[in-house]
Amino acid sequence: AQTVTQSQPEMSVQEAETVTLSCTYDTSESNYYLFWYKQPPSRQMILVIRQEAYKQQNATENRFSVNFQKAAKSFSLKISDSQLGDTAMYFCAFHGTASKLTFGTGTRLQVTL
Amino acid sequence: GAVVSQHPSWVICKSGTSVKIECRSLDFQATTMFWYRQFPKQSLMLMATSNEGSKATYEQGVEKDKFLINHASLTLSTLTVTSAHPEDSSFYICSASSQGNTGELFFGEGSRLTVL
Repeated sequence: AQTVTQSQPEMSVQEAETVTLSCTYDTSESNYYLFWYKQPPSRQMILVIRQEAYKQQNATENRFSVNFQKAAKSFSLKISDSQLGDTAMYFCAFHGTASKLTFGTGTRLQVTL
Repeated sequence: GAVVSQHPSWVICKSGTSVKIECRSLDFQATTMFWYRQFPKQSLMLMATSNEGSKATYEQGVEKDKFLINHASLTLSTLTVTSAHPEDSSFYICSASSQGNTGELFFGEGSRLTVL
């Protein structure tokens, strides 16, 4: 079974600064997808960014980018120019051949003034 | 992006009663829907996977007779918590995937259940 590990329960960053959230996973599969989801206080899950395992190029979405290291099974999220609205729980997730998402335990990010 | 609507967003019920939560895909056909449960400050735990027209597949440890899931059409799945007890109080979230299985799921807004 796949496992997803987020080793940082909480993180804090000042507005306009950059922060990196860590995620590692364990799988024997070669084709899969990785995601970062954001869950603000409203509890609505919002897709932040997605990475296909077969792509070597790291995905980027505006201020959000990932560092995907397939051999190391690492998938970190970098948030640049942090904004107050980025305050949320961030979940790393794995999607493989079982066609279901496995979530990490989450990292609570607080953006401060 | 695709929209998934979940209703009700919150519900309070007495112990012993049953509660139904609906999950609808508004602008796409959801071949597969997933039901998650989330305790406070914890991650999402998959309860079951439902495919339109077939029985749901439950994760280990989830009581199928307690949590009835129906996926009668490509746009609607329901979760019924039967004979609810206070320990069933939680945040329930549905998600849906469309044909093509790109891995991306679209999430509903969630339903907070409180059992008194």
